[in-house]
Amino acid sequence: TQLLEQSPQFLSIQEGENLTVYCNSSSVFSSLQWYRQEPGEGPVLLVTVVTGGEVKKLKRLTFQFGDARKDSSLHITAAQPGDTGLYLCAGGENQGGKLIFGQGTELSVKP
Amino acid sequence: GAGVSQSPSNKVTEKGKDVELRCDPISGHTALYWYRQRLGQGLEFLIYFQGNSAPDKSGLPSDRFSAERTGESVSTLTIQRTQQEDSAVYLCASSLNWARGEQYFGPGTRLTVT
Repeated sequence: TQLLEQSPQFLSIQEGENLTVYCNSSSVFSSLQWYRQEPGEGPVLLVTVVTGGEVKKLKRLTFQFGDARKDSSLHITAAQPGDTGLYLCAGGENQGGKLIFGQGTELSVKP
Repeated sequence: GAGVSQSPSNKVTEKGKDVELRCDPISGHTALYWYRQRLGQGLEFLIYFQGNSAPDKSGLPSDRFSAERTGESVSTLTIQRTQQEDSAVYLCASSLNWARGEQYFGPGTRLTVT
């Protein structure tokens, strides 16, 4: 069974700080996706990475896929209260099909 | 439609009753997925459809759970003889097709079994 271990599970920081969320597995994934979920809503896709070593930037968010396609990280620079939410990583077994989700990281950014 | 829609948004039912949850995917999306999210946890895959067929039902927890899809559009997830451990948010997602991994999620149905 493929598993994705996400850490930390909870993160509470002050506005302006930097943070990194990690997503690790012993399995190889063909793709890795990051989602953000707010209370009462479904997850919203932030980025998809498919190539080992790939780095993608989305404004203050930087996503990296490990060389071996087993791990990924999300780095947020100068966090803002609007970044508050549940961040989920999800691994794809193929280019499509089901996703294997990590447990999520609950981020709280205080003004 | 603009996005994935699900109904009802909330459902409270008594233990032992059957429930039906509905998902309307984004128009033109041929792949549809059902996930379950228990409180404070990540998403757990249940089943996915490509067109009207379900190549992967491996995540359905028991034979009380079933799903169908008609017209390559609407899907219904049915839970028979509900148990308290079925309480969760049930999320539906769709993607352009099976080969395209970007999944777009609906807001979910919060199911509470009393």
